[in-house]
Amino acid sequence: QQPVQSPQAVILREGEDAVINCSSSKALYSVHWYRQKHGEAPVFLMILLKGGEQKGHEKISASFNEKKQQSSLYLTASQLSYSGTYFCGTEDWDNYGQNFVFGPGTRLSVLP
Amino acid sequence: DSGVTQTPKHLITATGQRVTLRCSPRSGDLSVYWYQQSLDQGLQFLIQYYNGEERAKGNILERFSAQQFPDLHSELNLSSLELGDSALYFCASSPSASEQYFGPGTRLTVT
Repeated sequence: QQPVQSPQAVILREGEDAVINCSSSKALYSVHWYRQKHGEAPVFLMILLKGGEQKGHEKISASFNEKKQQSSLYLTASQLSYSGTYFCGTEDWDNYGQNFVFGPGTRLSVLP
Repeated sequence: DSGVTQTPKHLITATGQRVTLRCSPRSGDLSVYWYQQSLDQGLQFLIQYYNGEERAKGNILERFSAQQFPDLHSELNLSSLELGDSALYFCASSPSASEQYFGPGTRLTVT
């Protein structure tokens, strides 16, 4: 089952912050985050494993709350280069094996 | 440039045909993933190989198959093609579970 991402779209001014959420109805093993610019391949941002860890790279960080089965991506002091569509991918395991499903994406536009 | 190469870049073919998409991972990466991205279905994970062995399977149709060869390149075979198979197909390679590097994609158009 596809995770839910919110918001669907967000428009920011350069320097503003944004939070993108990803939630699942399943118990998750990991959450992956990707950014894709129009006409380009997705770029892997980070993976969060169950354990409630938080990761960050420069001004982009993420958290994973396995109890709530959700992850949030934090973009701080956004730059023009942050524009694109952000996808979360969730990994879970069931009796049939591993499942990996992407969310529908959140379109982020950063304006000067 | 991620270091992952995919060929061909574009492919146009007719319904019922069979095509092969090729992916060369970054040097030293043992894992290869295949993804499909279409306007209708969004981004979907198809299959993962690790050092020649199938590691995980996603929403891959029975008409599709993949393999990873001893030199670590991978091929995705799509047969009995339907209009709905038109999409961008990406592969990604990974040295570990912590990061993935995507290739530029193959755009498949089925007419």
